[in-house]
Amino acid sequence: NAGVTQTPKFRILKIGQSMTLQCAQDMNHNYMYWYRQDPGMGLKLIYYSVGAGITDKGEVPNGYNVSRSTTEDFPLRLELAAPSQTSVYFCASSYQDSGEKLFFGSGTQLSVL
Amino acid sequence: DQQVKQNSPSLSVQEGRISILNCDYTNSMFDYFLWYKKYPAEGPTFLISISSIKDKNEDGRFTVFLNKSAKHLSLHIVPSQPGDSAVYFCAASPYNNDMRFGAGTRLTVKP
Repeated sequence: NAGVTQTPKFRILKIGQSMTLQCAQDMNHNYMYWYRQDPGMGLKLIYYSVGAGITDKGEVPNGYNVSRSTTEDFPLRLELAAPSQTSVYFCASSYQDSGEKLFFGSGTQLSVL
Repeated sequence: DQQVKQNSPSLSVQEGRISILNCDYTNSMFDYFLWYKKYPAEGPTFLISISSIKDKNEDGRFTVFLNKSAKHLSLHIVPSQPGDSAVYFCAASPYNNDMRFGAGTRLTVKP
């Protein structure tokens, strides 16, 4: 039982490049989330999904896109990377909403230079 | 807007003593409060939670206290152990999926 798996663990992008951060969970959770954590700051919600085919914006969605074609996968797409997107990205999942604890992946450290 | 605040970036305690981590929030709509623990190069892991209808929840060495009138919660770890050294995040959630996190407190437990 792997839980939440994120790839890659590290990535360096040049300004203007694009990439997709992968996230998969094997717990059959309906809810999935993408957070970013900047130094000295809490985690901020980028996008979330309440089930396959349904996604919604979080607190900081600009510059990102997501899709949810299956229950297991929730990729995060960065288009036209900018230095402001340098951060650590965490994917998470939960069985339900409303305060249900989140299960996190180990994170992707992204630098945009 | 920082709806969940952890005003102490770091805390150092001696092994065996009590660790008290504090968290303040501003949004009265928060219904659930959670604490997560994070080791370096790992994702946060859930530690303990409390709903707004309670004022205390205990799980082994970990106890969370909620003071709704003061919009304040705290995590008590007794006794503290070196393995408890990590960053602790306070989080709060309203009825929807928008869980808000504090900036974290780095706890160091010295042997």
